[in-house]
Amino acid sequence: QQPVQSPQAVILREGEDAVINCSSSKALYSVHWYRQKHGEAPVFLMILLKGGEQKGHEKISASFNEKKQQSSLYLTASQLSYSGTYFCGTERNAGGTSYGKLTFGQGTILTVHP
Amino acid sequence: EAGVTQFPSHSVIEKGQTVTLRCDPISGHDNLYWYRRVMGKEIKFLLHFVKESKQDESGMPNNRFLAERTGGTYSTLKVQPAELEDSGVYFCASSQGRRVTYNEQFFGPGTRLTVL
Repeated sequence: QQPVQSPQAVILREGEDAVINCSSSKALYSVHWYRQKHGEAPVFLMILLKGGEQKGHEKISASFNEKKQQSSLYLTASQLSYSGTYFCGTERNAGGTSYGKLTFGQGTILTVHP
Repeated sequence: EAGVTQFPSHSVIEKGQTVTLRCDPISGHDNLYWYRRVMGKEIKFLLHFVKESKQDESGMPNNRFLAERTGGTYSTLKVQPAELEDSGVYFCASSQGRRVTYNEQFFGPGTRLTVL
């Protein structure tokens, strides 16, 4: 089942902060965050694993609440380059045949103005 | 290190024709994934190769879609015959072996397919 992202769109001025949420109704093993600019490949930002491990970008932080099956991406002191569509991808199984299969949210469009 | 590459970047075909999309993963990556994004909707999983074997093809929409991965290197996705609803952007992604680096997936730029 597709995770739900909120908000659908955010407009910021440079230097402002934003939070993007990703919620699932199913138990998750990991949450992956990507940013895509128009016409380009989605770029990996962060992975959060069940149990608290994470790997990702220096200037971007995220959290994973296992009880709520919700992840939040925190964008602080936003820059113009942060503009794009942010996707969360959820992975349900740690093993088995479906490892790595990501189910994506519908995306959050972030626009940063000067 | 070269990233994931996809060819062609755009393809416009008529309904009923055949199209073959190609993906070259990052060298040494055993896992190769195909995803599709139909306009305005989310990115959806199509299938997953581990080397040359299909690990999971649960997302393939129907038997008009055929994916192969010759020798565990590049992969092709053929649509035959194409229908209007096949239009969208087809992404390929690759990752290293199981659980090596948290299964971080590197995406290609996608192939935009338009079926008229």
